Amino acid sequence: DTGVSQDPRHKITKRGQNVTFRCDPISEHNRLYWYRQTLGQGPEFLTYFQNEAQLEKSRLLSDRFSAERPKGSFSTLEIQRTEQGDSAMYLCASSLPPGQGEAFFGQGTRLTVV
Amino acid sequence: KQEVTQIPAALSVPEGENLVLNCSFTDSAIYNLQWFRQDPGKGLTSLLLIQSSQREQTSGRLNASLDKSSGRSTLYIAASQPGDSATYLCASTDSWGKLQFGAGTQVVVTP
Repeated sequence: DTGVSQDPRHKITKRGQNVTFRCDPISEHNRLYWYRQTLGQGPEFLTYFQNEAQLEKSRLLSDRFSAERPKGSFSTLEIQRTEQGDSAMYLCASSLPPGQGEAFFGQGTRLTVV
Repeated sequence: KQEVTQIPAALSVPEGENLVLNCSFTDSAIYNLQWFRQDPGKGLTSLLLIQSSQREQTSGRLNASLDKSSGRSTLYIAASQPGDSATYLCASTDSWGKLQFGAGTQVVVTP
């Protein structure tokens, strides 16, 4: 297994456009998390899945954001009508249930909205 | 709501010195605590995971301690090297596996 994979690594988009990011977790991990990180800050929780079920969404996740994990495998995070404030690093992590090991992160997708 | 604080925000040491990085959290009902390393523009690399029932965890030159009662964890890096220059983040985990991060300590090790 090559770890958590995210695509694309970088995305530049114009304000108002829609963007979609993909995360491929470690295959045996049933938990998948999305975080957002801005410059100089630690990552902030956005949402997480247990298998295909989305169990929690942060209040940071406005209705312009949607995430899916079909069949409990890869996940996508879509941002509609992007705004300059959406510019950030979007990080995906996967893990086994708590107590069974650590969380592993992908390399992130750097989004720049111009 | 859990709050995680890391002090100092930045640290510069000469090569060979030991590094001591501090992490404090307000809610002691954590499931575990994890330390990460982040290089500029990159994702997070897991360094150490300390279960809530453990007092410390070691990996090579790294040692992390956990004191739940006082809400503190410390990461020690022995005999620092220039390659240790990075931002170090601590995060507490709740029972759902969600991580609450501090803002990180930016470390520079000078040759």
